Amino acid sequence: EDQVTQSPEALRLQEGESSSLNCSYTVSGLRGLFWYRQDPGKGPEFLFTLYSAGEEKEKERLKATLTKKESFLHITAPKPEDSATYLCAVQDGYSGAGSYQLTFGKGTKLSVIP
Amino acid sequence: DAGVIQSPRHEVTEMGQEVTLRCKPISGHNSLFWYRQTMMRGLELLIYFNNNVPIDDSGMPEDRFSAKMPNASFSTLKIQPSEPRDSAVYFCASSSGQKDSPLHFGNGTRLTVT
Repeated sequence: EDQVTQSPEALRLQEGESSSLNCSYTVSGLRGLFWYRQDPGKGPEFLFTLYSAGEEKEKERLKATLTKKESFLHITAPKPEDSATYLCAVQDGYSGAGSYQLTFGKGTKLSVIP
Repeated sequence: DAGVIQSPRHEVTEMGQEVTLRCKPISGHNSLFWYRQTMMRGLELLIYFNNNVPIDDSGMPEDRFSAKMPNASFSTLKIQPSEPRDSAVYFCASSSGQKDSPLHFGNGTRLTVT
């Protein structure tokens, strides 16, 4: 069974204080690892897809990296508008009928204080 | 593009009543997913459709839950009879159907069963 564990559950940062969120996963064969951002009262919003160990992707102050067992979401000089819950999900490439589905972690709630 | 549209945004009902949640996916997307989100369990996949056909409903918790997709632009999730433990936020998502394509989520229906 695919498993995704995110840490920490919650993180408070001062504006400008860089940090990283962790996503550890167990999957038979990784098809893709996805990062989403979720604001209160909204659905998750897609950020990145990573496919293989060593891959990195960047978007504004966010950079996602991937190893064979975990992914990190690095936040550089965060601003209050980066406050949200960040979700990690994996897609198992070896599932049969379930190969289109994503298994999500419970998320990290990030608060950036001005 | 209007994105994935869900209705209603909020639903409050009494135990034993029937509840119907509605979803309009993004035009051109041929995969549709129903997820449930709670604090305890995070995002859980209930069922997904490909080209209007249910592919995997192993996440549907009980026979009280049913889902239909009569055409490419509409899906429903029905709970009959509803119970307090069904209280959660229900999300619909769609994708282009490629195995590594991201999911695009609606803003969810917050269901409260009293």
